[in-house]
Amino acid sequence: NAGVTQTPKFQVLKTGQSMTLQCAQDMNHNSMYWYRQDPGMGLRLIYYSASEGTTDKGEVPNGYNVSRLNKREFSLRLESAAPSQTSVYFCASSESASPFNQPQHFGDGTRLSIL
Amino acid sequence: GNSVTQMEGPVTLSEEAFLTINCTYTATGYPSLFWYVQYPGEGLQLLLKATKADDKGSNKGFEATYRKETTSFHLEKGSVQVSDSAVYFCALSDRTGNEKLTFGTGTRLTIIP
Repeated sequence: NAGVTQTPKFQVLKTGQSMTLQCAQDMNHNSMYWYRQDPGMGLRLIYYSASEGTTDKGEVPNGYNVSRLNKREFSLRLESAAPSQTSVYFCASSESASPFNQPQHFGDGTRLSIL
Repeated sequence: GNSVTQMEGPVTLSEEAFLTINCTYTATGYPSLFWYVQYPGEGLQLLLKATKADDKGSNKGFEATYRKETTSFHLEKGSVQVSDSAVYFCALSDRTGNEKLTFGTGTRLTIIP
């Protein structure tokens, strides 16, 4: 069972470069999320998509864009990478947008370093 | 706004020791509370949850009780194993129309044989 698949697993960028982090889920979930995990900060929500065709900002959206390509795929783009965006990025999905009822399922993360 | 405060880590225990990881929260209304676990090199997994006051969530020998009067959701296990070594995150969802998860900073637990 693949669950939530993130690519790449590791990436090193130079300041100002752009890149897209890919995420796909095979559980037919409606909602998808992008988080960043920084030491001492826990996980912070960057963007989410409650359902196909919709996206909304989370707690820390600046410097990022997202695309919900279809029900399975939700990508995160850094247009001009900055050292402050060095982090571990997690994609997650859930059957609905309510964590009350449906747990979020996480990918294994993308470790991104910006030099 | 919502916030979750977790016990500072790292925590190191011997196998079969009793575990407590403290978690307190600030939230609007009556949140749902969660513990997620992250094993090395993996993403987070839901460990347990509680959705109203005095509820006890339990899974894999771990328990946590939703205490509204102390705004706490402490994680406990009576006898830890080496395989419990991981990072544990407390989280809440406030159920006021903004049902997003707010995470604590995580507590790294290491169990030594």
